[in-house]
Amino acid sequence: EIVLTQSPGTLSLSPGERATLSCRASQSVSSNYLAWYHQKPGQAPRLLIYAASSRATGIPDRFSGSGSGTDFTLTISRLEPEDFAVYYCQQYGSSLWTFGQGTKVEIK
Amino acid sequence: QVQLVESGGGVVQPGRSLRLSCAASGFTFSSYSMHWVRQAPGKGLEWVAVITYDGSNRDYADSVKGRFTISRDNSKNTLYLQMNSLSAEDTAVYYCAKEEFACFASWGQGTLVTVSS
Repeated sequence: EIVLTQSPGTLSLSPGERATLSCRASQSVSSNYLAWYHQKPGQAPRLLIYAASSRATGIPDRFSGSGSGTDFTLTISRLEPEDFAVYYCQQYGSSLWTFGQGTKVEIK
Repeated sequence: QVQLVESGGGVVQPGRSLRLSCAASGFTFSSYSMHWVRQAPGKGLEWVAVITYDGSNRDYADSVKGRFTISRDNSKNTLYLQMNSLSAEDTAVYYCAKEEFACFASWGQGTLVTVSS
């Protein structure tokens, strides 16, 4: 089973700043099968990025994904108030889906 | 638009069973693999189970294998999760999700399952 480790655990930033979130896999992940979500309190997660770098429908272009192999990154170019949330990466491989433990992006 | 509505959650005693349902609308349900994903209180996301578009293949997380069964009724546009031998570790919000590109493109609002005596 591939384990995803996200860092940092918490990111304290101000609106307008750039956020860089990391997701590291214990084994190589196909770029086609790496996704990012965010989740606000009391809500279901929402898909942001799929296939490592493709934005999901309706996701603004301040969100971008990159990476390959075992190292992937989600970047939010300029944080908006609604972007403060918990972010999860997720991978698929060998009929198993796994999530990282999450990164909380909080207002500084 | 895609709508997924879970139901069937509640409080159940350890060792008992519960069946969750997920009513789908706004897309061709019979064309998509569907999943259950859960989230324990204050914790992260855990994938639980998947069923292919026609019900021919199913896979489960090790934590639920042998106890949970995922199924679907394409004539009713409904996904199910039969949960047996429940324990406190199964306490969570259970989400159904529509798969696209090997990820969870759409989610329901979730239903809370609490296992407690």
